Amino acid sequence: GENVEQHPSTLSVQEGDSAVIKCTYSDSASNYFPWYKQELGKRPQLIIDIRSNVGEKKDQRIAVTLNKTAKHFSLHITETQPEDSAVYFCAASIASSASKIIFGSGTRLSIRP
Amino acid sequence: GAVVSQHPSRVICKSGTSVKIECRSLDFQATTMFWYRQFPKQSLMLMATSNEGSKATYEQGVEKDKFLINHASLTLSTLTVTSAHPEDSSFYICSAPARLASSSYNEQFFGPGTRLTVL
Repeated sequence: GENVEQHPSTLSVQEGDSAVIKCTYSDSASNYFPWYKQELGKRPQLIIDIRSNVGEKKDQRIAVTLNKTAKHFSLHITETQPEDSAVYFCAASIASSASKIIFGSGTRLSIRP
Repeated sequence: GAVVSQHPSRVICKSGTSVKIECRSLDFQATTMFWYRQFPKQSLMLMATSNEGSKATYEQGVEKDKFLINHASLTLSTLTVTSAHPEDSSFYICSAPARLASSSYNEQFFGPGTRLTVL
């Protein structure tokens, strides 16, 4: 089955700086890679996703890159703000009508004022 | 659209009792739903895939006789933790795939989670 590894487990950056979180996946059939933000005691919230037919996607301060050959994908947050502090999870899935999502281990991001 | 609810949001029970958690898709039909478990400061671990009208598919290491899943309708899946013990205390989250009108693809929609505490 699919295995998703995520690094780093914790990340502290100065407000205004960039944060990068990296993930790898094992199943070459995976073709959908969502990123979630989770606040304590809450459900995961989708912040951006990428499908295997593109290598990069950007939405304002958030961007995701995908390297299918290396089975790597990364989340980039620029101009970080205090409200970006949360736990971020990468995930992988085989996109179909009802595919399960396998999560990475999570990154606790802290933004220092 | 695509709202998933869970009930209850919190439950405290005594060791040895059974607890039922409901997951509902409020404005769409879901032939498949997923159940995850999340321990403190850990990731969401997929427990099982709930299939409407058929048996659930359990992930490796998940005891099907302990975590009973029933998906009797297109909008409701239930997870029953049988003979609960303190080590079953966790945050249980369900999800269901749906396609928004504005999208060409399915997306997973998560319930708000159920915090189970077993004394």
